[in-house]
Amino acid sequence: GAVVSQHPSWVICKSGTSVKIECRSLDFQATTMFWYRQFPKQSLMLMATSNEGSKATYEQGVEKDKFLINHASLTLSTLTVTSAHPEDSSFYICSARDLGGNEQYFGPGTRLTVT
Amino acid sequence: LAKTTQPISMDSYEGQEVNITCSHNNIATNDYITWYQQFPSQGPRFIIQGYKTKVTNEVASLFIPADRKSSTLSLPRVSLSDTAVYYCLVGSTNQAGTALIFGKGTTLSVSS
Repeated sequence: GAVVSQHPSWVICKSGTSVKIECRSLDFQATTMFWYRQFPKQSLMLMATSNEGSKATYEQGVEKDKFLINHASLTLSTLTVTSAHPEDSSFYICSARDLGGNEQYFGPGTRLTVT
Repeated sequence: LAKTTQPISMDSYEGQEVNITCSHNNIATNDYITWYQQFPSQGPRFIIQGYKTKVTNEVASLFIPADRKSSTLSLPRVSLSDTAVYYCLVGSTNQAGTALIFGKGTTLSVSS
């Protein structure tokens, strides 16, 4: 099946700094990618929909100025957590849907820890 | 998007068959039913997808009644490695730009 990768797999940063997470579709093109956040013992929560070549669509309650999303190509979307704080510590997961298929493919996730 | 309801948790023993039922009363005509498995600190992994009746692959079966208001994931002869969270989702495949919305999932614990 199709593969979605994320980089880095984990990152530790200091409070106030910014962190960029990359999401790539390795063997298919995706005009739309999705970003989720998952806190311990909870389900995945959709943060935003990333559209290639246009602005991302954010879910209610997600700060667009804090979570910057860029989808510059059909295989790459990035999420930048700006001015990170400890409460932003979470597991961030991206996904993409192959245009020709019915399945949504998920990346392995990125563990962010803000100290 | 249709909401789903699943049991919060289930327990089983190795070698048993496990059936997890999901309710989706408001499923739309274009919606497919998809099940994902998630291990701690990993992204969800696709298990099976179906629209109606029965679908079977190498790891599971999916049973969907005629009214499609529920579905049952069947895992034959589970092992310890099947301990994970299982999510039932419904969504249209006609809308590539539409994200899947996750419910709470079912935590399956398999013991020896």
